[in-house]
Amino acid sequence: QKEVEQNSGPLSVPEGAIASLNCTYSDRGSQSFFWYRQYSGKSPELIMFIYSNGDKEDGRFTAQLNKASQYVSLLIRDSQPSDSATYLCAVPPTGANSKLTFGKGITLSVRP
Amino acid sequence: KAGVTQTPRYLIKTRGQQVTLSCSPISGHRSVSWYQQTPGQGLQFLFEYFSETQRNKGNFPGRFSGRQFSNSRSEMNVSTLELGDSALYLCASSAGQGRVGAFFGQGTRLTVV
Repeated sequence: QKEVEQNSGPLSVPEGAIASLNCTYSDRGSQSFFWYRQYSGKSPELIMFIYSNGDKEDGRFTAQLNKASQYVSLLIRDSQPSDSATYLCAVPPTGANSKLTFGKGITLSVRP
Repeated sequence: KAGVTQTPRYLIKTRGQQVTLSCSPISGHRSVSWYQQTPGQGLQFLFEYFSETQRNKGNFPGRFSGRQFSNSRSEMNVSTLELGDSALYLCASSAGQGRVGAFFGQGTRLTVV
């Protein structure tokens, strides 16, 4: 099993819909989880992080973490065309917070 | 607060040559990590420096090396370039402590011909 997997994609949603992006990880000891957004031709931008089980909300973005299932997701409410980008899940291995293992990313397209 | 600065932004090199990339982290950040991004492999960790010491290393050949200076600026060197080294090289800066994320520079696009 790969360390961080993002299997669903590419994803296309209409403007105003909820986009759901999923990520699973293999290291049960991982403590922190990050979501990055990368526009085409640009570098990744940190948009969300979560440490505790449950939900964390920031504006239109909600990160959800389930450590028992080793699953982290990102929900984007009221999706906008400007949300069209690749979303990368990143997980540091136990004890190595500055070494991030990235999933392959999910490309989201929001249709006007 | 200035962000992460990488230079140069673009490079074209010939096979067999060597290249040095530079990264200036966010002021106060002591950790600098380097990543290679390619369409096929995605983002892959190269190495991390913290307070001038290499703290973590990814699975790349010894042709890839780096260092960090006392002002936290970091350089990455690739010797004997191969066509497969063509990629976007990204530097990430973090405080290096606890549960903090990393902030990326604009990247250096390296093309090996």
